Amino acid sequence: AQSVTQLGSHVSVSEGALVLLRCNYSSSVPPYLFWYVQYPNQGLQLLLKYTSAATLVKGINGFEAEFKKSETSFHLTKPSAHMSDAAEYFCAVTHPGGNEKLTFGTGTRLTIIP
Amino acid sequence: DTGVSQDPRHKITKRGQNVTFRCDPISEHNRLYWYRQTLGQGPEFLTYFQNEAQLEKSRLLSDRFSAERPKGSFSTLEIQRTEQGDSAMYLCASSLRGDTEAFFGQGTRLTVV
Repeated sequence: AQSVTQLGSHVSVSEGALVLLRCNYSSSVPPYLFWYVQYPNQGLQLLLKYTSAATLVKGINGFEAEFKKSETSFHLTKPSAHMSDAAEYFCAVTHPGGNEKLTFGTGTRLTIIP
Repeated sequence: DTGVSQDPRHKITKRGQNVTFRCDPISEHNRLYWYRQTLGQGPEFLTYFQNEAQLEKSRLLSDRFSAERPKGSFSTLEIQRTEQGDSAMYLCASSLRGDTEAFFGQGTRLTVV
């Protein structure tokens, strides 16, 4: 069984400030982890993924995430928020080698304050 | 490559009617997934195809729901006798077996009135 918990359904940060979106996972086997972004009435776009290589993963738009097995966490960060980062962010987990269906968290809505 | 395409983007239907959605995956992708996303929630897995074979169905997929992928290319998701609780965004995703990245379509937003 696998699950993802995203702490904070809404996060607000000032433009130029650090963005930190939290994700904790539960998995009975080594997981693959993902962060997706969703803009209103759109599908999901992959930001970055962890697939058991480097624990610090860099993605698009300046985002990065660090896999910490001891903390079962995969938090998403960006050093300096931009207005265009306002969106819904989803953390997801899957197991490699099977059907690789994704189990998503409930999402975090990021608001950027000008 | 135009990405994953879903049609229609929006559908409003009366309770009790049948609806069908279509998904065209990225052409070389042999895996296809359907997810459902309700307001304020993350997407939830509905079903999965590898080529034309439907290999897994979620318990969320009641017997009013049926999905097909007849030639291993496009897929359809049909909901019979729609209920207000079926109102959601239906997302399709595709990937290549062995590749961890799933590409999502824009989704079909269903509203049952």
